[in-house]
Amino acid sequence: RKEVEQDPGPFNVPEGATVAFNCTYSNSASQSFFWYRQDCRKEPKLLMSVYSSGNEDGRFTAQLNRASQYISLLIRDSKLSDSATYLCVVNRDDKIIFGKGTRLHILP
Amino acid sequence: DAGITQSPRHKVTETGTPVTLRCHQTENHRYMYWYRQDPGHGLRLIHYSYGVKDTDKGEVSDGYSVSRSKTEDFLLTLESATSSQTSVYFCAISDRGQAEPQHFGDGTRLSIL
Repeated sequence: RKEVEQDPGPFNVPEGATVAFNCTYSNSASQSFFWYRQDCRKEPKLLMSVYSSGNEDGRFTAQLNRASQYISLLIRDSKLSDSATYLCVVNRDDKIIFGKGTRLHILP
Repeated sequence: DAGITQSPRHKVTETGTPVTLRCHQTENHRYMYWYRQDPGHGLRLIHYSYGVKDTDKGEVSDGYSVSRSKTEDFLLTLESATSSQTSVYFCAISDRGQAEPQHFGDGTRLSIL
């Protein structure tokens, strides 16, 4: 089993809809978690950290489920500008592992 | 945006030639990283540095070497480039290690013919 797994997508979602995707991790000792966003032919950029209690930043909500070993990202009221690849990142023992990303297309 | 500059932004070269990529930061962060990103593989760590002259190998270090003689500069060298090293290379920085978020440079597109 891969250490960090994401559905590659693409998720094709109409503008204004809510979309959610998960990321599973295999090592229960994983300590910190992040979501990054990467636009086509651009660098990854930190979207948000994921805290144990869950956290929200505007239209974005991140949650962590340690029992089932996954993190999730929910995007409400999706905008065309949300179209990107979303990378799940997991840290364990000071080693950071990037997922391969989930592609999201917001349709007008 | 974090002050990270990668150079060159694009390079095309031939198999067997040496190539050096440069990452320059103005944030005075202790940690610097080199990644490569390829379709189907995601981001993979090549080497990282945790201080001047302190470096360590990442997941895909074979065929690459690094040097860090100043806090602000981290160089990645391909001693004898091969076609399998055609990729997009990203430099990243963080202040306190891999447990915290990293900030990335714009990337270098390298083609080895």
